[in-house]
Amino acid sequence: SQTIHQWPATLVQPVGSPLSLECTVEGTSNPNLYWYRQAAGRGLQLLFYSVGIGQISSEVPQNLSASRPQDRQFILSSKKLLLSDSGFYLCAWSVIGTMNTEAFFGQGTRLTVV
Amino acid sequence: SQQGEEDPQALSIQEGENATMNCSYKTSINNLQWYRQNSGRGLVHLILIRSNEREKHSGRLRVTLDTSKKSSSLLITASRAADTASYFCATDARSSYKLIFGSGTRLLVRP
Repeated sequence: SQTIHQWPATLVQPVGSPLSLECTVEGTSNPNLYWYRQAAGRGLQLLFYSVGIGQISSEVPQNLSASRPQDRQFILSSKKLLLSDSGFYLCAWSVIGTMNTEAFFGQGTRLTVV
Repeated sequence: SQQGEEDPQALSIQEGENATMNCSYKTSINNLQWYRQNSGRGLVHLILIRSNEREKHSGRLRVTLDTSKKSSSLLITASRAADTASYFCATDARSSYKLIFGSGTRLLVRP
């Protein structure tokens, strides 16, 4: 069966420090991968999505970047965090190339920039 | 900009009552999905309705889709306290595999 792992669950980082959040998927090949950010009590904002290794689409200009070094690994990074980067970050995957694009979510990382 | 917008933003009902949430979107879609999120957790997929379908049922859930109005509704019948959560609609545009979420409805079911 397919599983998605996202870590860490919580993170407190000082302003100006780097960030690396990792997400890995097991049990499937060539998934679509997504990074979302959710502000408190709000909806999900799509940050990045990827349909293959090295193929990253950015949805909003921001202080973050994403990479997909392996088929089932998706990394969210920042060189220097801003206070506004605080939020709940969610990784998700879906099956590529089908009409059924149900997404499966990790448990999220709550990032607080102080 | 957000593809989907839900209303109401918040809904408080008594256990046993029905809850209806609405979603509107902007562009042509392949399908529309509804997800549930418990506080501080990841999202869980509830139901998917394809663009050529008008209504779908799953247990106590009933989803309708009106592509002419670009809107959908989620009905939860005979609500339970455990249904308390945020509910989001999500759409994937015909031209891409992006999955765009709405702003969500926070549902509180009072015991």
